[in-house]
Amino acid sequence: EVQLVESGGGLVQPGGSLRLSCAASGFTFSRYRMTWVRQAPGKGLKWVASMNQDGTEKYSVDSVKGRFSISRDNAKNSLYLQMSSLRAEDTAVYYCARDSGVNDPIDYWGQGTLVTVSS
Amino acid sequence: QLVLTQSPSASASLGASVKITCALSSGHTNYPIAWHQQQPEKGPRYLMRLNSDGGHYKGDGIPDRFSGSSSGAERYLTISSLQSEDEADYYCQTWGIGIRVFGGGTKLTVL
Repeated sequence: EVQLVESGGGLVQPGGSLRLSCAASGFTFSRYRMTWVRQAPGKGLKWVASMNQDGTEKYSVDSVKGRFSISRDNAKNSLYLQMSSLRAEDTAVYYCARDSGVNDPIDYWGQGTLVTVSS
Repeated sequence: QLVLTQSPSASASLGASVKITCALSSGHTNYPIAWHQQQPEKGPRYLMRLNSDGGHYKGDGIPDRFSGSSSGAERYLTISSLQSEDEADYYCQTWGIGIRVFGGGTKLTVL
């Protein structure tokens, strides 16, 4: 059974940093592209960042470029999102998701971890 | 610009059918999409991939009540024999090189 379990969320002050983790199991992690998606309170889903299997391709939405960094450790079956210079508008539930293929949609989601940016 | 447009809300009666629409932006009308369901207070769940020719490929354990179809720039999710647990937000998603895009979501109310 595919499982994606996020952790690392919490309350952080504006301008602060936080590192989210996603532990993957039930599939060969190193063979899949991975994605972070966020959802602000009461709002819709928004793509944040994606990366390919070996980390040579990384993409992110303009609003987080230069502040957020996606990475992975295939030996640990883990995906990460390093977030810095956090703003109130970054407050959201952050979901880890698996891309089913290079030209395919997300096919599995985690349960999410809440990040609150507030003083 | 790659954009997906969804109506904010839809409603239908228990046991009836409902059709939810997702419209692709001009210049991207042949793109495939995916449908995802998000029940209240839960993470999203992948329902299916839907191609421009209407071919659709469902995720693990998705009931036959869920189906997809396409016409031009529009992609549809049809849910038949509506059940109370189908009350949820439904999102369409598409993708390109280095980008993932979501529609704004449709909140389905089962009456």
